[in-house]
Amino acid sequence: NAGVTQTPKFRVLKTGQSMTLLCAQDMNHEYMYWYRQDPGMGLRLIHYSVGEGTTAKGEVPDGYNVSRLKKQNFLLGLESAAPSQTSVYFCASSSSPGAVKGYTFGSGTRLTVV
Amino acid sequence: AQTVTQSQPEMSVQEAETVTLSCTYDTSESNYYLFWYKQPPSRQMILVIRQEAYKQQNATENRFSVNFQKAAKSFSLKISDSQLGDTAMYFCAFLPGYALNFGKGTSLLVTP
Repeated sequence: NAGVTQTPKFRVLKTGQSMTLLCAQDMNHEYMYWYRQDPGMGLRLIHYSVGEGTTAKGEVPDGYNVSRLKKQNFLLGLESAAPSQTSVYFCASSSSPGAVKGYTFGSGTRLTVV
Repeated sequence: AQTVTQSQPEMSVQEAETVTLSCTYDTSESNYYLFWYKQPPSRQMILVIRQEAYKQQNATENRFSVNFQKAAKSFSLKISDSQLGDTAMYFCAFLPGYALNFGKGTSLLVTP
């Protein structure tokens, strides 16, 4: 089925460890996004990309890095995980920012940093 | 900063009744888009409805409709004939440029 796939779905990290979250979409979308969702905070934008090879900072970029080497993939990296990064992470993609179909979201990655 | 405010953290409605969820936003832009997304317990984000700011006509999608008041910067969602499957978190989202800004959400419970 066409859509956005996030890997992994769950992960537990120790403080200071690093990891990469992978987002893959097969809809040929130009725009891709990483959000984090915390209780009572809604979804907050971490980084986004408007096309292959481009990235830009969102509302809460500190502690994260991203790369978009291939159009279909958008990677989110945590170099040195902190307990404050415990969250549910969502990747999304769209053909354009205001697309009629809106964003297509992945199913989320629940990350716990202990 | 462009913000989205959902003033109702939690709401409850009986099955078959109508409920309205509130959303206000702050922007100096004249052209933008507004969305409502639904997040059921499965955690999946689902688009409910979309509104283009330059269109005066309120968007509708089956039982879901919006009341868009551009001058007041208000974008409320009305759910008619509520169903048990409507139980979810509802997020209002505002798109001024490249990426959506989300409100903090309203948790809606539909009771039998």
